[in-house]
Amino acid sequence: DQQVKQNSPSLSVQEGRISILNCDYTNSMFDYFLWYKKYPAEGPTFLISISSIKDKNEDGRFTVFLNKSAKHLSLHIVPSQPGDSAVYFCAATEGGKLIFGQGTELSVKP
Amino acid sequence: EAGVVQSPRYKIIEKKQPVAFWCNPISGHNTLYWYLQNLGQGPELLIRYENEEAVDDSQLPKDRFSAERLKGVDSTLKIQPAELGDSAVYLCASSLQGNEQFFGPGTRLTVL
Repeated sequence: DQQVKQNSPSLSVQEGRISILNCDYTNSMFDYFLWYKKYPAEGPTFLISISSIKDKNEDGRFTVFLNKSAKHLSLHIVPSQPGDSAVYFCAATEGGKLIFGQGTELSVKP
Repeated sequence: EAGVVQSPRYKIIEKKQPVAFWCNPISGHNTLYWYLQNLGQGPELLIRYENEEAVDDSQLPKDRFSAERLKGVDSTLKIQPAELGDSAVYLCASSLQGNEQFFGPGTRLTVL
């Protein structure tokens, strides 16, 4: 039973354009959401997060949007750069436990 | 500041053999996690430690997996005996407080 779902296994975007990565969840008790970025042969690195009491958080080129009624989370990257090419994981917390989605592989083409 | 250190980075063993992974968390981080990551999936929590105490080991297959965190710093995760299905990346993470966890590079285990 997947509580956090990333239904797009891959996404390809042109450099300079917007990348939108989506995430859906089922557990309304989740209180915090995070995005992690992972390069091959490395561990995931924290990118940006949002509390369940907010609907938007922005950090430079990265913005995370939370729609609690739809149980939907999205990560926007503007403008996308080739160095953003990686696997992006959405994660949610409940009681200190992180639950990850399956990941979306982003490819930003020059 | 040094990150989370894991060793070995890669391990190849035959089925039924034992294997152990080691993790050194970021200095001062009291919470340590072991995750399992299968190909094409996100990490899944195996066990969480608060200092020396395992506070969540509900997803740890206790018939063959064991873990310890002596002195509340380094930790080891052991599998005995290993099965073919254990082939995966084993990730260690640590955190100080709050929700942000810092991950090590992982150990890629191949069971033949």
